[in-house]
Amino acid sequence: AQSVSQHNHHVILSEAASLELGCNYSYGGTVNLFWYVQYPGQHLQLLLKYFSGDPLVKGIKGFEAEFIKSKFSFNLRKPSVQWSDTAEYFCAVNLISNFGNEKLTFGTGTRLTIIP
Amino acid sequence: DVKVTQSSRYLVKRTGEKVFLECVQDMDHENMFWYRQDPGLGLRLIYFSYDVKMKEKGDIPEGYSVSREKKERFSLILESASTNQTSMYLCASSEAANTNEAFFGQGTRLTVV
Repeated sequence: AQSVSQHNHHVILSEAASLELGCNYSYGGTVNLFWYVQYPGQHLQLLLKYFSGDPLVKGIKGFEAEFIKSKFSFNLRKPSVQWSDTAEYFCAVNLISNFGNEKLTFGTGTRLTIIP
Repeated sequence: DVKVTQSSRYLVKRTGEKVFLECVQDMDHENMFWYRQDPGLGLRLIYFSYDVKMKEKGDIPEGYSVSREKKERFSLILESASTNQTSMYLCASSEAANTNEAFFGQGTRLTVV
């Protein structure tokens, strides 16, 4: 079955530490990949997306992600985190349903806590 | 700015009631989605719609139905609410091309007692 996996459920880091959050998907066709963030009490919002071209994409607030097709992965990275990065992070993949329609599918999310 | 508005921020309903959750978007988006968000389970797709009167089941459609009579409005219906439907419900919309990001509403926290 098509799915999106995030293996880190809760990550705790100190400020200035480097971050990498894992995301894997299972789907053999062309995919469009996204990372969304949900700050406490706020809407989900887009961090970055990949749909073609350079597999290393840069997003807002210093985040980047690398698409590795052979590993079905789209990991999120940030070289130096800040306390304000405390949030929940969701990987999402635009899959194609059995009826040929776009179906935006999310992973289970990773809660990131940054300790000042 | 794209706006996705959900009619209620908080709702409390009784078991067995019929519940309507409304969502309106103002950007003429073709696609609209309903998710529920539960701790440790992320966002799970209930139903989505790719055009007026067109809908497709998501991953957890049981106990829910939807209606899209107008392009800007997408309603989620709980036919007979149960306590296991207590959750945060999120509506989203996007343009048809699948490279486009989805925009989310603020969510409706539904409690079924």
